[in-house]
Amino acid sequence: QKEVEQDPGPLSVPEGAIVSLNCTYSNSAFQYFMWYRQYSRKGPELLMYTYSSGNKEDGRFTAQVDKSSKYISLFIRDSQPSDSATYLCAMRAIGAGSYQLTFGKGTKLSVIP
Amino acid sequence: GAVVSQHPSWVICKSGTSVKIECRSLDFQATTMFWYRQFPKQSLMLMATSNEGSKATYEQGVEKDKFLINHASLTLSTLTVTSAHPEDSSFYICSAEGTNQPQHFGDGTRLSIL
Repeated sequence: QKEVEQDPGPLSVPEGAIVSLNCTYSNSAFQYFMWYRQYSRKGPELLMYTYSSGNKEDGRFTAQVDKSSKYISLFIRDSQPSDSATYLCAMRAIGAGSYQLTFGKGTKLSVIP
Repeated sequence: GAVVSQHPSWVICKSGTSVKIECRSLDFQATTMFWYRQFPKQSLMLMATSNEGSKATYEQGVEKDKFLINHASLTLSTLTVTSAHPEDSSFYICSAEGTNQPQHFGDGTRLSIL
């Protein structure tokens, strides 16, 4: 079993839809959770960063973490064509020497006008 | 938000030459910097981790003498691809992490070796 599982999609939704992106993980040492957005031929852009279970909201984006189920989600409300990109979940443990991120494979999202 | 600048964004060079890529954290001190390689339609592959003033730690299978990493200051790291060959052609991305700053990524460098 891979440490982080993420459905690669592709996922295609109409403009204005609510998008739900998910990752599951197996390593209980992971304590920090991030979502990145990557456009083609660009580096990943940090969207959300959280370290506790529960919800964190930033504009149209909501990150949800359930440590008991080892499951994280990113919700995008009122999706726009400009949201079309690949979304990567990433996580890391805490403590000395644990700064490396473990990534999901990324979900490719297309928002259709 | 925090900004990481990577330069150049695209470079084409002849086989056998060396190429240097710069990565700068513009508005925070990067205690740790990372270099990744990304193949088309794949996720990021960590090449090496570097802390300011110390030698980089390379991932298994990454040639230290091929990919030279220098992290001379808290805002600058460089990756030099030495004696580059066509198989080194790829998308290279740096990232930087600081105290209370999660990893922020540069925009990547597309390297094409002819």
